[in-house]
Amino acid sequence: AQSVTQPDIHITVSEGASLELRCNYSYGATPYLFWYVQSPGQGLQLLLKYFSGDTLVQGIKGFEAEFKRSQSSFNLRKPSVHWSDAAEYFCAVGANRDDKIIFGKGTRLHILP
Amino acid sequence: DTGVSQDPRHKITKRGQNVTFRCDPISEHNRLYWYRQTLGQGPEFLTYFQNEAQLEKSRLLSDRFSAERPKGSFSTLEIQRTEQGDSAMYLCASSSRTGGTEAFFGQGTRLTVV
Repeated sequence: AQSVTQPDIHITVSEGASLELRCNYSYGATPYLFWYVQSPGQGLQLLLKYFSGDTLVQGIKGFEAEFKRSQSSFNLRKPSVHWSDAAEYFCAVGANRDDKIIFGKGTRLHILP
Repeated sequence: DTGVSQDPRHKITKRGQNVTFRCDPISEHNRLYWYRQTLGQGPEFLTYFQNEAQLEKSRLLSDRFSAERPKGSFSTLEIQRTEQGDSAMYLCASSSRTGGTEAFFGQGTRLTVV
């Protein structure tokens, strides 16, 4: 069964600094990969997704993620964070188009002014 | 497109009572998911449907939990004989198998068992 690991429970960065949130998945084939964001009291919002093709995908709010098959990773990046990016970020994976979507435990992002 | 709708938004119940939640997915979506989320955790998969067929139910899910999607549209999640450990946010999501397959989430139903 597929699984998702987000090794960092909390990350703190200064406003304007770059960001990278790590995600590792466990599955043999090319999975369907997602990053979601959840702000306090808000629902889950899709940031970006990867199914196939170019391994660097662009999402909303200036985020991007890179799929690296050799490392089983799908890390989320942003070149310059804003205070409004403070939220919980979840990586998710589906084994294929027909499979369920499994979420990691999340990384809480804190922004220093 | 009104998004995924869940009802009620909040439910407080006494231990031992049964509760039922409803989810209305995005109208053209044939996939419907139920997740449970506790504080500081990611959404935990409970079950999912394609149209009216329940494709999978989490092995971690107690027999007290049951879900239906009788006509392939809305879905209900019932918890029988609630326990304090059932207190959580219950999230519903829907997706289109033929579309991008990403799941669109509702606002959730917060259950508190007292």
